Amino acid sequence: AQSVTQLGSHVSVSEGALVLLRCNYSSSVPPYLFWYVQYPNQGLQLLLKYTSAATLVKGINGFEAEFKKSETSFHLTKPSAHMSDAAEYFCAVSEGFTGTASKLTFGTGTRLQVTL
Amino acid sequence: NAGVTQTPKFQVLKTGQSMTLQCAQDMNHEYMSWYRQDPGMGLRLIHYSVGAGITDQGEVPNGYNVSRSTTEDFPLRLLSAAPSQTSVYFCASSYKLGGGYGYTFGSGTRLTVV
Repeated sequence: AQSVTQLGSHVSVSEGALVLLRCNYSSSVPPYLFWYVQYPNQGLQLLLKYTSAATLVKGINGFEAEFKKSETSFHLTKPSAHMSDAAEYFCAVSEGFTGTASKLTFGTGTRLQVTL
Repeated sequence: NAGVTQTPKFQVLKTGQSMTLQCAQDMNHEYMSWYRQDPGMGLRLIHYSVGAGITDQGEVPNGYNVSRSTTEDFPLRLLSAAPSQTSVYFCASSYKLGGGYGYTFGSGTRLTVV
């Protein structure tokens, strides 16, 4: 069964500092991995996705993530935080090669706070 | 292209009432699913469908029913609402993406059961 662990339910960074949000996954088959962002009282917006092509994935708003199979990780980074990055971030995994195409498994989320 | 449309956006129910959360997609996606979001628990899969006439249970199916009579629609029914079903509900449709799948989410339905 697939699963996702997000380390740190709350992360606080200063504006301009590096953002690092951690995600580790477990999957019995090659995974597809996603990062979503959710702003207060809004739906989910896709930041980026890994689909077994390049291991370094670039997304929107300056975010990127690196797939590391040996570490079963897919950490999200941004070199310089902006106040507008304050939101909740979810890592998710789906098993790309099974019949359960609708089953996306989410982590519990990390709330990012950006301070002046 | 409207994507995935969920109605209503907000709903308050009394314990024991029934209601249907609507979900429609206009992208001809084969796969659809329902999730609930609760603080500190992320999103959890309730039910999913791999095509018209085919549905299956997810992680937290109790208290919810679904059916899929058309490709476009995937309603979620609460037969007898309970306070534990207070949550934000998201519908998603899935599409083929390389060897796997991508997902499009609706904007959510915020449900309160009193």
